[in-house]
Amino acid sequence: KNEVEQSPQNLTAQEGEFITINCSYSVGISALHWLQQHPGGGIVSLFMLSSGKKKHGRLIATINIQEKHSSLHITASHPRDSAVYICAVEGGSQGNLIFGKGTKLSVKP
Amino acid sequence: EPEVTQTPSHQVTQMGQEVILRCVPISNHLYFYWYRQILGQKVEFLVSFYNNEISEKSEIFDDQFSVERPDGSNFTLKIRSTKLEDSAMYFCAPKAGRNSPLHFGNGTRLTVT
Repeated sequence: KNEVEQSPQNLTAQEGEFITINCSYSVGISALHWLQQHPGGGIVSLFMLSSGKKKHGRLIATINIQEKHSSLHITASHPRDSAVYICAVEGGSQGNLIFGKGTKLSVKP
Repeated sequence: EPEVTQTPSHQVTQMGQEVILRCVPISNHLYFYWYRQILGQKVEFLVSFYNNEISEKSEIFDDQFSVERPDGSNFTLKIRSTKLEDSAMYFCAPKAGRNSPLHFGNGTRLTVT
């Protein structure tokens, strides 16, 4: 059983649409990370959160610790948002991450 | 913003050869992590390193793997005798403190033939 589950696996949207990507986890965590992976393979950290909600530009991340669930929202989506979005949880004592399989987002113009 | 640099960006090697992957962290990074991603699969934890010693390692990190900080700045991952299944993207991801965000390096794509 995967400790970190993301949905959907693939998502196609039209430019301007509001997008939600979900992440559920089954282990105790100290923090949850949302990451963005571009087609070339590079990974960029978007958010690190342990409670509540964070916002950066058009991106919003929320987490519900009791329900072991997090969401990443993208408002006014744009083709440049096309990427794989990865949820990863920090559960071990040494800070290493357990990754989800990622959500591949494609935003069409 | 300063970047975490990994070299080489792409390495092709023959099975059985040794490879060394290098990571240059930002100067205040104290915690170091190596992850790998086999093509089409999710990212997996390999090893964490703090205070000049391994703090945790996964079952993937067997005797063929080793890590060190040879000069106090660079952070290296060595694979002694590469196998075909070692072909993957390897990411270094250091951070400054236990509760600090991660900074992923640009990755090294290792191809074992």
